[in-house]
Amino acid sequence: KAGVTQTPRYLIKTRGQQVTLSCSPISGHRSVSWYQQTPGQGLQFLFEYFSETQRNKGNFPGRFSGRQFSNSRSEMNVSTLELGDSALYLCASSLSGATGNTIYFGEGSWLTVV
Amino acid sequence: AQKITQTQPGMFVQEKEAVTLDCTYDTSDPSYGLFWYKQPSSGEMIFLIYQGSYDQQNATEGRYSLNFQKARKSANLVISASQLGDSAMYFCAMREGPSQLIWGAGTKLIIKP
Repeated sequence: KAGVTQTPRYLIKTRGQQVTLSCSPISGHRSVSWYQQTPGQGLQFLFEYFSETQRNKGNFPGRFSGRQFSNSRSEMNVSTLELGDSALYLCASSLSGATGNTIYFGEGSWLTVV
Repeated sequence: AQKITQTQPGMFVQEKEAVTLDCTYDTSDPSYGLFWYKQPSSGEMIFLIYQGSYDQQNATEGRYSLNFQKARKSANLVISASQLGDSAMYFCAMREGPSQLIWGAGTKLIIKP
């Protein structure tokens, strides 16, 4: 059974550009969530999608957005990149997000903004 | 507000010894879930073990077990017979909402040969 797949694994962008990261959840999983990990702030929740609807959102500016497709694949987009957006972005999937569902993560996308 | 505390920033352990990584939590919600993840330097967050607040027994997964003391609000991870490949960051996390986790600061574990 394939795990959570994230692409691309590594990318370098310039300030002001935008970036799109992709996540394919485990087959059958309908909940996808995104996290940002930085040395200074640790792991922070970005947002969660279930059945193409954003169900929950963390405390990030509107430059961070996401969406989920009918096949449960998800993308997150960051516009007008800032140096502080350099981070590891982790995608996670679970069956439905219900209590008791295990949450599995992908390998992450390393974003460097220069 | 919910909170996770990991008080050990780093640990050195001799290979083959058992390891206990500490995690305390704070929540007023009677229903919650606690997770432990391992993160090697590659960045992947690897699920290790899960404990639900209503689970009667401590969770175990192979060499990993969770010492769950509900009254003390602690959920320590125990790794038996440590191996060199266990060297990594270890995170304790608690479910706050559907698929939303709040995280501890992590413990960097180094296994010495």
